[in-house]
Amino acid sequence: DTAVSQTPKYLVTQMGNDKSIKCEQNLGHDTMYWYKQDSKKFLKIMFSYNNKELIINETVPNRFSPKSPDKAHLNLHINSLELGDSAVYFCASSLRGPLHFGNGTRLTVT
Amino acid sequence: GQSLEQPSEVTAVEGAIVQINCTYQTSGFYGLSWYQQHDGGAPTFLSYNALDGLEETGRFSSFLSRSDSYGYLLLQELQMKDSASYFCAVREAAGNKLTFGGGTRVLVKP
Repeated sequence: DTAVSQTPKYLVTQMGNDKSIKCEQNLGHDTMYWYKQDSKKFLKIMFSYNNKELIINETVPNRFSPKSPDKAHLNLHINSLELGDSAVYFCASSLRGPLHFGNGTRLTVT
Repeated sequence: GQSLEQPSEVTAVEGAIVQINCTYQTSGFYGLSWYQQHDGGAPTFLSYNALDGLEETGRFSSFLSRSDSYGYLLLQELQMKDSASYFCAVREAAGNKLTFGGGTRVLVKP
């Protein structure tokens, strides 16, 4: 199936831990994104990569570090997790058109 | 800064018509998109307006007035499966960045 897939689907961890979320797309898109959706469903862009190059870096704590090994993959590493990081994180991709979202990773920090 | 305003919730009965308005204030503007998100799901693309006027896709239509910084999504012949959150999103002039509104939760009742 052609899609944007991200893993894991659920992530429960304690404050202070470090965790990673992986994302892969096989749509042939050249731009990938990370969005954060909070408990009020507000969707906010965090990062965007175009052909492995960082092009959007919103005001995000530097505990969050994206990495794009190639244009089909975009991973998100989070250091020293805090309670406020609890949210659903969506990966998305595009090719000068609409965004295609992954199914999200629900991160719960306890 | 940027802001997009849309109603937080709308309730309607099956078969009815619902209009979700979106007003925006952005520094740059390339177009207005609409996304649908079911509970627990990923946002999915519905429509995109770059120019003034009405775009129709089946039961859903989207309208844009650039001079009024305003658009709407029209849902016709509502079905139970249309119960979801609907987000307007503005594409900035720079890059491929989408800024989302807070979402409108549509509840369809029998």
